[in-house]
Amino acid sequence: QKEVEQNSGPLSVPEGAIASLNCTYSDRGSQSFFWYRQYSGKSPELIMFIYSNGDKEDGRFTAQLNKASQYVSLLIRDSQPSDSATYLCAVNIMEYGNKLVFGAGTILRVKS
Amino acid sequence: DAMVIQNPRYQVTQFGKPVTLSCSQTLNHNVMYWYQQKSSQAPKLLFHYYDKDFNNEADTPDNFQSRRPNTSFCFLDIRSPGLGDAAMYLCATSRDGGHSNEQFFGPGTRLTVL
Repeated sequence: QKEVEQNSGPLSVPEGAIASLNCTYSDRGSQSFFWYRQYSGKSPELIMFIYSNGDKEDGRFTAQLNKASQYVSLLIRDSQPSDSATYLCAVNIMEYGNKLVFGAGTILRVKS
Repeated sequence: DAMVIQNPRYQVTQFGKPVTLSCSQTLNHNVMYWYQQKSSQAPKLLFHYYDKDFNNEADTPDNFQSRRPNTSFCFLDIRSPGLGDAAMYLCATSRDGGHSNEQFFGPGTRLTVL
């Protein structure tokens, strides 16, 4: 089992809709969870992080964490064409000395 | 603005010809990381420095070396690039190595091997 898994997509949503991106992880000891956005040919940009179970909101973005289910998600409300990108989930893996392990990302396409 | 800078942004080299990529940061972060990212894949950690302490990933080829002469700068040396080393190389920094520290990436260097 991969340490961090994401559906590769593409996930297509119409402009103005809610985009829901999901990530599962294998290390029950993980404490920190990050979402990065990566435009084609560019480097990853940190958009959200979450440490505690529940929801964390920042503008149009909401991160949701369920440690019991080893599941973290990112919701993007009022999706815009400029949100079209690859979204990378990253999780700290305690057994690797808190190294961040990245998923391969989900491609999001927002259609106008 | 505090930032992570990588040079060059694009590097073309010949098979077997050594190449050096550079990274600098004005964030005054203790930890600097080098990742390799190939198309449609996750960034793969090659190594990192916590201050001057070097930490190599077990599966990083010997062909890859790194230097950190001071807090601000870190270099990635590829001694004999092969075709399989063509990738985006990403430098990242974090304040320290704890679990809660976010990593901030530079713009990356796209390496082409001919």
